Amino acid sequence: AQSVSQHNHHVILSEAASLELGCNYSYGGTVNLFWYVQYPGQHLQLLLKYFSGDPLVKGIKGFEAEFIKSKFSFNLRKPSVQWSDTAEYFCAVTRGGGFKTIFGAGTRLFVKA
Amino acid sequence: KAGVTQTPRYLIKTRGQQVTLSCSPISGHRSVSWYQQTPGQGLQFLFEYFSETQRNKGNFPGRFSGRQFSNSRSEMNVSTLELGDSALYLCASSLDRWTSVEQFFGPGTRLTVL
Repeated sequence: AQSVSQHNHHVILSEAASLELGCNYSYGGTVNLFWYVQYPGQHLQLLLKYFSGDPLVKGIKGFEAEFIKSKFSFNLRKPSVQWSDTAEYFCAVTRGGGFKTIFGAGTRLFVKA
Repeated sequence: KAGVTQTPRYLIKTRGQQVTLSCSPISGHRSVSWYQQTPGQGLQFLFEYFSETQRNKGNFPGRFSGRQFSNSRSEMNVSTLELGDSALYLCASSLDRWTSVEQFFGPGTRLTVL
């Protein structure tokens, strides 16, 4: 079955620590990859996306992600987290046209001030 | 530009009833997708509509249905509600379904089935 796996369900970090959230997907062929973030009490919003080209993608708020096709991975990184990064992060994948998007289970990040 | 709006925001129903949820996409957006979010299953794709036609469908029973109107507004309907249908239902809109555009999510409708 097609799936998206996020390795950590809960992550606790101190401010200024580096962040890496893992994401692996099980599809072959061409995919579009996304990271979404849901801050407490807010809508789900796009953090960054990869469609083609440079596999290192930069998003908002200093986040970046690297697409490694051979590993079917799209890991999210941030060199130095802030308390305001406390949120739930979702990796998502679509194939072909349209938006039949498969989401990972999400990772809850808590950043200690 | 106003964001994606969903009505109602909260809904309480009893088992066996049916419910209709509404989504108004961002002005100019033609694609609308629906998702179900639960603590146990996470975010699951329900269906996608574009130009009043369902283009993609997730793995949900036939009790879940939807439609899209000519103004791109969309509704989803759940008939014969079950306790397990309690969830946050999210609507997302995008400009179209081919270009590299993102989906914009609404605040969701929280459905509680008693």
